[in-house]
Amino acid sequence: NAGVMQNPRHLVRRRGQEARLRCSPMKGHSHVYWYRQLPEEGLKFMVYLQKENIIDESGMPKERFSAEFPKEGPSILRIQQVVRGDSAAYFCASSPRDTYEQYFGPGTRLTVT
Amino acid sequence: AQSVTQPDIHITVSEGASLELRCNYSYGATPYLFWYVQSPGQGLQLLLKYFSGDTLVQGIKGFEAEFKRSQSSFNLRKPSVHWSDAAEYFCAVAPSLTAGNKLTFGGGTRVLVKP
Repeated sequence: NAGVMQNPRHLVRRRGQEARLRCSPMKGHSHVYWYRQLPEEGLKFMVYLQKENIIDESGMPKERFSAEFPKEGPSILRIQQVVRGDSAAYFCASSPRDTYEQYFGPGTRLTVT
Repeated sequence: AQSVTQPDIHITVSEGASLELRCNYSYGATPYLFWYVQSPGQGLQLLLKYFSGDTLVQGIKGFEAEFKRSQSSFNLRKPSVHWSDAAEYFCAVAPSLTAGNKLTFGGGTRVLVKP
């Protein structure tokens, strides 16, 4: 059973470009979480999604950031018009229904030049 | 709002020595507490968790943690570290056990193991 997959593992974007980060949850998991880890900081919650629904986006920046988890395919975290401050590691976690335990992917390291 | 503090950013320990990582939380009620480990280039792996009951909990890889309500602490310990324990360790809290619980993480403690 493959774990949570994230790609790309490393992403370099110039200021103003768009970044798309993908997350494939573990098989059978219908809940996805995105966290951001800024340099020298802990992980901060961004958004919690179920299939085709955003349940809690209280940690998402109000502009430029969006997330989706379609019926088919991976969850996508999209950052438009990236700025240097967006450079961070973005982690995805998934969980089965009605359980606390979140399984984390290896993360995507985004560098904005 | 809940918060988690890990006072030690870096800890260096000799192989075979004991290790203790500190974690303090701020929360109105007793939260649900977790320790995760992150090896370089990897995702986070759950080491152990505390929900209720016995305040000393055992985890994987020989780790244990003790919940002390009076000190709002949940320190992680290992009696004898191995070189493979070099990693970053995160303490986290959650307000509930249901799906959708947002984990609040501490800043992490990076552990270096000397031969």
